Amino acid sequence: EAGVAQSPRYKIIEKRQSVAFWCNPISGHATLYWYQQILGQGPKLLIQFQNNGVVDDSQLPKDRFSAERLKGVDSTLKIQPAKLEDSAVYLCASSLDQAELSNQPQHFGDGTRLSIL
Amino acid sequence: AQTVTQSQPEMSVQEAETVTLSCTYDTSENNYYLFWYKQPPSRQMILVIRQEAYKQQNATENRFSVNFQKAAKSFSLKISDSQLGDTAMYFCAFGSNYKLTFGKGTLLTVNP
Repeated sequence: EAGVAQSPRYKIIEKRQSVAFWCNPISGHATLYWYQQILGQGPKLLIQFQNNGVVDDSQLPKDRFSAERLKGVDSTLKIQPAKLEDSAVYLCASSLDQAELSNQPQHFGDGTRLSIL
Repeated sequence: AQTVTQSQPEMSVQEAETVTLSCTYDTSENNYYLFWYKQPPSRQMILVIRQEAYKQQNATENRFSVNFQKAAKSFSLKISDSQLGDTAMYFCAFGSNYKLTFGKGTLLTVNP
C-alpha cells in the first residue's frame, strides 16, 4: 500500500512569511495527525483529526497555525506569519482509527523540513 | 500529563553486537501502550516494536526485544546482532487516550 505522502520535502522562508504543508494519508485511514519535531527533540502533536473533525488541537498555536481536512482525506497545515522558532520538521501521520493504538499504529510520512531565515 | 525520558542522547555499538537503549516514563494511568520508533536520516518514523501495558510478557520482533518493567516504569529496547542499517534515531513513545508522547530520542550508530 502507498504510504503517507507529504509535500514539499523542504521549505525555506523568511520570518513573517506564510507557508503551507500538504499531507495525503494512507487510503482508508480515518485519523490524521500533524506533529512538529524541533531539532534534537521528539515529535510533538499539534493537531489530530478524526475524518474531517478536530479531536485534539490543544498544542496548536492557534494565533499563527491553522489546519484543515475538509473532505476527510488530505490535509493542509498553515503557518502565518512564521517565526524563527517554527523551524522544524513537520510530520504527518495517519492511522486506521483512533480507537486502538496497539492494533492500529500510526504510520508516518517523510516530513517537511521548514527553515525560517 | 505523561513524560517520557530517554537518558542516552547518543550510543554506539559494533556490528553484530548487542545494545540496549533505555526509556523511562511517568504516568498515573493504568491502561496504556509503549512503542519504540526508528527514524533514519530519511526522517520517516518507522514502528519497531510495541508493548501493551496489561501484558506481562515482553514483546519481541526478530532482533528487537523489550524489557518492560511496569512497576519501575521502564521500557528498554534491546537490539541483537546489530546491523549497519540499524543506525538511526530511536524514540520511545507512550500511548494513551489515542495520543503518543515521545521522548527526545537516542542516536544509535552501528560501526563496521
